[in-house]
Amino acid sequence: KAGVTQTPRYLIKTRGQQVTLSCSPISGHRSVSWYQQTPGQGLQFLFEYFSETQRNKGNFPGRFSGRQFSNSRSEMNVSTLELGDSALYLCATQPGGADTEAFFGQGTRLTVV
Amino acid sequence: AQRVTQPEKLLSVFKGAPVELKCNYSYSGSPELFWYVQYSRQRLQLLLRHISRESIKGFTADLNKGETSFHLKKPFAQEEDSAMYYCALYRNSGNTPLVFGKGTRLSVIA
Repeated sequence: KAGVTQTPRYLIKTRGQQVTLSCSPISGHRSVSWYQQTPGQGLQFLFEYFSETQRNKGNFPGRFSGRQFSNSRSEMNVSTLELGDSALYLCATQPGGADTEAFFGQGTRLTVV
Repeated sequence: AQRVTQPEKLLSVFKGAPVELKCNYSYSGSPELFWYVQYSRQRLQLLLRHISRESIKGFTADLNKGETSFHLKKPFAQEEDSAMYYCALYRNSGNTPLVFGKGTRLSVIA
């Protein structure tokens, strides 16, 4: 079966712009989580969506937001980009709760210049 | 709040030597612990979870509640084990997310 698909793979944006990243989960997976991965901080949890509802949220500013559609696809948006937002953004999907195996996408590499 | 600590950013071992990647957690309840691995140019993927108590690719990990640790061990390291390893914790009370440590890069030297 198809894996988790994230688009686009690479993005270059300038400070102050906004960006939208997309994640298509494995068929049947209703939980979608987003993580920011950086060399110094590892994986930091952004938020999790389940059945179109935000179930959990990490400690990120309000510039980071997300949503989930009825087909479980999810998008995350970052507004007013800052240089420090440059990172690999990973999406992980799970068939059920957080105790089930998380399947990761290949990530979107965002560079803010 | 639950927290996962991986004290080593980088661990270098020689091929054939034993390897232990450390993971400590802070959570007073009954956690579920996982190890995820990311090989070069590959996706992050599950290596093993403590409830399955199985050995994957020669790796094992035992949950020690007294020491709040979940160290990953392998008796004889192989070059193909070189990767980034993340310890993760799930708090099985309420709908909480999977929390990851900052990761340890394992480098196996030939």
